Amino acid sequence: GAGVSQSPSNKVTEKGKDVELRCDPISGHTALYWYRQSLGQGLEFLIYFQGNSAPDKSGLPSDRFSAERTGGSVSTLTIQRTQQEDSAVYLCASSFGLAGGTYEQYFGPGTRLTVT
Amino acid sequence: AQSVAQPEDQVNVAEGNPLTVKCTYSVSGNPYLFWYVQYPNRGLQFLLKYITGDNLVKGSYGFEAEFNKSQTSFHLKKPSALVSDSALYFCAVREREQAGTALIFGKGTTLSVSS
Repeated sequence: GAGVSQSPSNKVTEKGKDVELRCDPISGHTALYWYRQSLGQGLEFLIYFQGNSAPDKSGLPSDRFSAERTGGSVSTLTIQRTQQEDSAVYLCASSFGLAGGTYEQYFGPGTRLTVT
Repeated sequence: AQSVAQPEDQVNVAEGNPLTVKCTYSVSGNPYLFWYVQYPNRGLQFLLKYITGDNLVKGSYGFEAEFNKSQTSFHLKKPSALVSDSALYFCAVREREQAGTALIFGKGTTLSVSS
């Protein structure tokens, strides 16, 4: 079936503007994750949704970042008042549910965000 | 706290030679360990995972990894490297006792295979 999709693939925005990034997980996956990939920094965990449970927001770097997951499927990551240090590739991943944590995550192609 | 270290930013090998990409981890309990590969301008692809059982895990594209509990390592290996293996490799860990958490990734190792 279809993999994880993300849109847009590229986004250029001016400093101070708000942006929304979208993620469509694999059908049937109950877990959804957002990561940020910056050059030389690896993958930085941002937020994790599992079913109807409260999301794990422990990785969000500031209160300018927020995310929602509607109907247990599509997720939107919102960055308010963007700063140049927000420039990165934002990756979304999904997986099957908890199952003791054994399931691997499947990643989307990412959204490359550039803040000018 | 969980963490992963990939001590080498870059590994260079000649085609046909064996390759090793190193990974060490730190968890309080028992680890679940994963390797992913990222080709240029592509998303991350799952290679293999260690959950339990045999310490030697075989994965996609001829790669394998060996779990070593005493050394807290999970090095990725391949007997004979291909130029097409050139990519960015990530090791990741999740603690078994914290099943409801996201994977924690290392900073990645760039593998360059020369012809």
